[in-house]
Amino acid sequence: EDQVTQSPEALRLQEGESSSLNCSYTVSGLRGLFWYRQDPGKGPEFLFTLYSAGEEKEKERLKATLTKKESFLHITAPKPEDSATYLCAVQAAQGAQKLVFGQGTRLTINP
Amino acid sequence: GAVVSQHPSRVICKSGTSVKIECRSLDFQATTMFWYRQFPKQSLMLMATSNEGSKATYEQGVEKDKFLINHASLTLSTLTVTSAHPEDSSFYICSKRDSLTDTQYFGPGTRLTVL
Repeated sequence: EDQVTQSPEALRLQEGESSSLNCSYTVSGLRGLFWYRQDPGKGPEFLFTLYSAGEEKEKERLKATLTKKESFLHITAPKPEDSATYLCAVQAAQGAQKLVFGQGTRLTINP
Repeated sequence: GAVVSQHPSRVICKSGTSVKIECRSLDFQATTMFWYRQFPKQSLMLMATSNEGSKATYEQGVEKDKFLINHASLTLSTLTVTSAHPEDSSFYICSKRDSLTDTQYFGPGTRLTVL
């Protein structure tokens, strides 16, 4: 069964304090790994898609990396507006097109 | 990114009534759309995959007669919660899939409260 585990569950940082969020996955052949940001009461906002080990993508203060077992979302010099829940999801290469989500990491950046 | 709208954004109804939620793709056509449910402090759980012109595919444990899905056009999918009960109160979110990148783009969500 495809599974996604995110850690930590919650993370508090000071503004400017860089850190990383982890997404460990087991899937029967990876078609894609996806990172989303979700603000309270809103739908997830797409951040990145990664397809193969070694791939990296960047957007402003965020950088996502992928290995064969996990993905990291690195946040460099975060600002309070980066506070949100970050969700990781995988899609298997075989079968349905559905995403399997992790439980998310609640990130709080204090000014 | 791709644009998905949902209507209504918030609905309160009495127990036993039915509620319809609309999900529209505002930019590209979507042959496949998805419906998720999210309870407080929890992640998204897929309810069903909506396919234009054919029957929806429901996840295990989701009652297809209670959660009716219609995908009559390439830009609109609807979810009807029939005979709603308080335990159906949740945040319902739809998404559409970009077939070129496999990326799903999500709507803003609908908060359903059943009294």
